[in-house]
Amino acid sequence: GDSVTQMEGPVTLSEEAFLTINCTYTATGYPSLFWYVQYPGEGLQLLLKATKADDKGSNKGFEATYRKETTSFHLEKGSVQVSDSAVYFCALSDSDSGYSTLTFGKGTMLLVSP
Amino acid sequence: EPEVTQTPSHQVTQMGQEVILRCVPISNHLYFYWYRQILGQKVEFLVSFYNNEISEKSEIFDDQFSVERPDGSNFTLKIRSTKLEDSAMYFCASNGQGKGNEKLFFGSGTQLSVL
Repeated sequence: GDSVTQMEGPVTLSEEAFLTINCTYTATGYPSLFWYVQYPGEGLQLLLKATKADDKGSNKGFEATYRKETTSFHLEKGSVQVSDSAVYFCALSDSDSGYSTLTFGKGTMLLVSP
Repeated sequence: EPEVTQTPSHQVTQMGQEVILRCVPISNHLYFYWYRQILGQKVEFLVSFYNNEISEKSEIFDDQFSVERPDGSNFTLKIRSTKLEDSAMYFCASNGQGKGNEKLFFGSGTQLSVL
């Protein structure tokens, strides 16, 4: 079945550092890929998505590129802020299913210190 | 931005008791979902619901679970006889078209603790 693997956390960075959170996936079809973020006390929010190979999703300075050859969707940000501290979830949706049933990774906690 | 609302934020119950988790999806959405996350594990899909019936469910969603849209606004998850392993954060979600590449709007979750 489909699965998502993302790097273990917590990831601890100083403000303005470069961020990479690795995500790889296995899927039988041609999935759509997502990064969701959960800030403390809030629900999961869509951060960015990519629906086909070589697409780049971007939002709030974060980027991720859909790499079919390496089955990866790594999240990057050039300069993190304290306000980026949250849990980040990589996820996929098998578009063939016709429904938005997401398969998630375990989540990676990011802690950014001033 | 519109929000999905879940109540209560925390629920404590005794093993074997029934619990009902409540959600108010975004008003013009048509597809509704429940996910859960056991501490330290992945967020897992439980069930999707459209047009007053279950459209898809996972292996986790056994006969102890049921969902209902009792009126035009609420969407509930009932666990008939809770077990210790049902302790988890339960997330409700909704979207407009239910497509695989569509954004899901999540609530902030109900933390269920079964003692």
